[in-house]
Amino acid sequence: QVQLVQSGAEVKKPGASLKVSCKASGYTFSSYAIHWVRQAPGQRLEWMGWINGGNGNTKSSQEFQGRVTFTRDTSASTAYVELSSLRSEDTAVYYCARRDSSGSQYFEYWGQGSLVTVSS
Amino acid sequence: QTVVTQEPSFSVSPGGTATLTCGLNSGSVSTSYSPSWYQQTPGQAPRTLIYNTNSRSSGVPDRFSGSILGNKAALTITGAQADDESDYYCVLYMGSGIWVFGGGTKLTVL
Repeated sequence: QVQLVQSGAEVKKPGASLKVSCKASGYTFSSYAIHWVRQAPGQRLEWMGWINGGNGNTKSSQEFQGRVTFTRDTSASTAYVELSSLRSEDTAVYYCARRDSSGSQYFEYWGQGSLVTVSS
Repeated sequence: QTVVTQEPSFSVSPGGTATLTCGLNSGSVSTSYSPSWYQQTPGQAPRTLIYNTNSRSSGVPDRFSGSILGNKAALTITGAQADDESDYYCVLYMGSGIWVFGGGTKLTVL
């Protein structure tokens, strides 16, 4: 069965960078993109972008362009999101997600979420 | 900038019907946006309910249904139960590899 297991909670200082990992199992990692979605406390879900597990192509929401980097390690079936120049508003739970096998435009599988707190 | 709109809150009586909507700040939502719906309870990851406008995800009860109503996507919950009390999010696929979440609707069952 498809599983996405994310890294644990972190505390970061303003101006630093965060890097969250998402380890995939139960399928061929290179066949699907991994998406990243975040949710600030009490706020809506926010789509950040994706990385193609095979060729490494990426796409990010305009909201995060210039500050977000998506990478992957195919040998470890793991995707990463890195967000730089952190500010308090980046305090959020970061989720990874994968679309379903048919290619439909929705997110069927979700990681458990990784809480990142930005605080001095 | 694309904004996906949802009712911030909605209240339904137990056993009643709730219809939550998902619109666009400019234009109409159609099936070409592949609307999907997610349920989220506090501290949990989202759970997929509906995809491709009206297809139910595996294990989702048939009292959850999706449709296009007028110029919006809609999620209808019939026979609302106490444990339906959650946040509900719609997502639209904008094309070119871009997705946008709505602001979410907090459903109260009372």
